Amino acid sequence: QVRLVESGGGVVRPGTSVRLSCATSGFTFRAYGMHWVRQAPGKGLEWVASIESHGNDQYYADSVKGRFTASRDNAKSIVYLQINSLREDDTAIYYCAKERGGSYYFESWGQGILVTVSS
Amino acid sequence: EIVMTQSPATLSVSPGDRATLSCRASHTLVTNLAWYQQKPGQAPRLLIYGASTRAADIPARFSGSGSGTEFTLTISSLQPEDFAVYYCQQYNNWPPTWTFGPGTKVEIK
Repeated sequence: QVRLVESGGGVVRPGTSVRLSCATSGFTFRAYGMHWVRQAPGKGLEWVASIESHGNDQYYADSVKGRFTASRDNAKSIVYLQINSLREDDTAIYYCAKERGGSYYFESWGQGILVTVSS
Repeated sequence: EIVMTQSPATLSVSPGDRATLSCRASHTLVTNLAWYQQKPGQAPRLLIYGASTRAADIPARFSGSGSGTEFTLTISSLQPEDFAVYYCQQYNNWPPTWTFGPGTKVEIK
């Protein structure tokens, strides 16, 4: 059974950094690309970052490029999202998602973790 | 940049009725399109990928169609558990980017 569990969220100050983690189990982690999607309160879904299975290639939405960094530890089956220079409009639920094998669709999702940026 | 639009923003439907949701892309996608369902307080769930293929364990009342820039999600007979927000999502090959539409809320009439 595929399981994705995000952690590392909470209330953070503008201008600071946070690292989100997504611990996974139930599948061969190193074989799949992983993705991060966020959802501001009451708003729609926004893709923010992806990382290929080997970890060598990452892709980012223009809105977060330069501030967000996706990484992964294939030995621990964890994917990370480092967010620097936090802004109030980064306030959102952050979901990690596993891609569907052989495609680039988001097949399995974590429950999400809330990051609130506030002074 | 590919922009996704969805219509209508809200769809009021009675249980048992048919619902038709539309998604339009600003550039052709061929069939690189997915549909997701999200219920309040829950993570999204993949319903349809490749424009028309149902994901695992998705009931047959959900179907997707379309190609190019026009796509449709049809729910043939709405069940109480189908009232939710539905998002379309495109995948662009290069550079790899993913874009969600703004969503269609399906509510009980």
